[in-house]
Amino acid sequence: QVQLVQSGSELKEPGASVKVSCKASGYAFKSYAMNWVRQAPGQGLEWMGWITTNTGDPTYAQGFTGRFVFSVDTSVSTAYLQINSLKAEDTAVYYCVRDYGCSATACQFPWGQGTLVTVSS
Amino acid sequence: DIVMTQSPDSLAVSLGERATINCKSSQSLLYSSNNNNYLAWYQQKPGQPPKLLIYWASTRESGVPDRFSGSGSGTDFTLTISSLQTEDVAVYYCQQYYSTPSFTFGPGTKVEIK
Repeated sequence: QVQLVQSGSELKEPGASVKVSCKASGYAFKSYAMNWVRQAPGQGLEWMGWITTNTGDPTYAQGFTGRFVFSVDTSVSTAYLQINSLKAEDTAVYYCVRDYGCSATACQFPWGQGTLVTVSS
Repeated sequence: DIVMTQSPDSLAVSLGERATINCKSSQSLLYSSNNNNYLAWYQQKPGQPPKLLIYWASTRESGVPDRFSGSGSGTDFTLTISSLQTEDVAVYYCQQYYSTPSFTFGPGTKVEIK
């Protein structure tokens, strides 16, 4: 079955960088784009952008340009989110979300389990 | 960009009563070539990732209780919980995937027990 397994929680100091991984299994990795979604504490779901997994071409939503970097390693079916120059307001749960796909009978909208990134000195 | 709005922000419903959540998009989510509305509903409980309830505006995800139903077309959509149970206390989000692979969410509606 389709699975997205994300890396574990991170605690970082302001100004540092963090790299979150999202390992995919159960489907052809390069056939579906991968999105990233942020959820700050007590807040809603915010779409950050997506990456074309066969070319590695990223698209960033407004507010997520500059410090945020999407990448993929197709050899290990893994997508990455790197956040540079971390700020306290980057504290959030980050989710990878695969583009949806449908069979003859049903559709899937796979999500990772989420990675909590805490930025604090 | 497609903007999603939801109403109300929160609602309190008695056990066994109906809960109705509305979602509106800034442009039509109906794709004329296949007559599908690219609208999904999610349920999120604290500490958990969102759980898919409904897609294509009205198709229930496998395993989702039939007290959950989705309706609407174009720009106006509704999620209905026909008989609220304690386990339904959560935040509910609508999501458009018309602009797939990109998508946007509504701000969420918190459902509580009265």
